[in-house]
Amino acid sequence: AQSVAQPEDQVNVAEGNPLTVKCTYSVSGNPYLFWYVQYPNRGLQFLLKYITGDNLVKGSYGFEAEFNKSQTSFHLKKPSALVSDSALYFCAVRGFASGGSYIPTFGRGTSLIVHP
Amino acid sequence: GAGVSQSPRYKVAKRGQDVALRCDPISGHVSLFWYQQALGQGPEFLTYFQNEAQLDKSGLPSDRFFAERPEGSVSTLKIQRTQQEDSAVYLCASSDKMDRFTEAFFGQGTRLTVV
Repeated sequence: AQSVAQPEDQVNVAEGNPLTVKCTYSVSGNPYLFWYVQYPNRGLQFLLKYITGDNLVKGSYGFEAEFNKSQTSFHLKKPSALVSDSALYFCAVRGFASGGSYIPTFGRGTSLIVHP
Repeated sequence: GAGVSQSPRYKVAKRGQDVALRCDPISGHVSLFWYQQALGQGPEFLTYFQNEAQLDKSGLPSDRFFAERPEGSVSTLKIQRTQQEDSAVYLCASSDKMDRFTEAFFGQGTRLTVV
């Protein structure tokens, strides 16, 4: 079975500081990884994905994520946080054809709060 | 429309009542997904359509849940004899890809409260 862990329910960071939202995963075979963001009263919005290739993936709104196969992690990062980045962030994983489920499994979400 | 549209946005149902939740995907998107998001949890997969074919319904929690997409566009998720544990936000997502899931576009969801 595939699974995603987001170990922090909430992350607090000061505006202008770097931020990291953690995600670890478990899946059979190679992973297909996603990050989504959910603003209040808005639908989930796609941020970025990792399929293969460079371990550092760049996405929307200045976010990036680093795939680490040995640590089975896919942490979300941003060099300089904005107050407007405050939202709920979800990590998701699915497997490829040779293993794991095609349907992604989402983590429980991490609330990011950026203080002015 | 430009995005995935879900209606109603909010629904309050008395226990035992039947409800129908509608999803209008992005025009031309072949893949459509339904998810259930309980309070404080991540989205949980319910079912998947490719055009009008329901290819995966493994996530439907009971036979009270039924989904259809008869013409390959609009989809309806129906819950019969609602129970309190059905209270959640129901999310619909669509994708122009034929595989099971790439980056999908989500609607705002329907918040169902069963009283």
